Amino acid sequence: EAQVTQNPRYLITVTGKKLTVTCSQNMNHEYMSWYRQDPGLGLRQIYYSMNVEVTDKGDVPEGYKVSRKEKRNFPLILESPSPNQTSLYFCASSLYSGALNSPLHFGNGTRLTVT
Amino acid sequence: QQPVQSPQAVILREGEDAVINCSSSKALYSVHWYRQKHGEAPVFLMILLKGGEQKGHEKISASFNEKKQQSSLYLTASQLSYSGTYFCGSGETSGSRLTFGEGTQLTVNP
Repeated sequence: EAQVTQNPRYLITVTGKKLTVTCSQNMNHEYMSWYRQDPGLGLRQIYYSMNVEVTDKGDVPEGYKVSRKEKRNFPLILESPSPNQTSLYFCASSLYSGALNSPLHFGNGTRLTVT
Repeated sequence: QQPVQSPQAVILREGEDAVINCSSSKALYSVHWYRQKHGEAPVFLMILLKGGEQKGHEKISASFNEKKQQSSLYLTASQLSYSGTYFCGSGETSGSRLTFGEGTQLTVNP
């Protein structure tokens, strides 16, 4: 089944403890991206990748890191999480590197709580 | 810069129609529409490209006014299953990524 898989679905952690949220797609998509969703703010882009080894900042990149060493994987790294990073996170992928003219496929989300 | 969606929320009775608007201050190449049900991931509805118009579903259609940088989503004869939050995503002509609006919460009651 074609899908975007995120893990974990739920994560509770403490301030400063490094964590990684994994994202993998099996559709051979060029483009991958991370969004965070907060009430009343919609979906805000954190980072995106147009191809392997090519990543760029979105609207809210502070406090996050990403890497794209393989086409299928795009992990999101929080080196030192803080409470303001408590949010619902979505990974998404798209067939074309530009992502403007092909649909985004979203993972099921990761609900992160930082205490 | 985020596109602006209106209204923020709308409540319908089953069978009624609704229009959701999406407006950007930037020149747009494309507009995407997605629906998200509570506790789930956003799901793609349709894309509208500069110079063309694509209809994704029978009773859900959309328009794209390139000159005004605006798009509207039309939901006809709404069903209970239409309830959810609708997001538009705008793709700027000069860019390569989507920026989403804040969403419109649609509730369809029996």
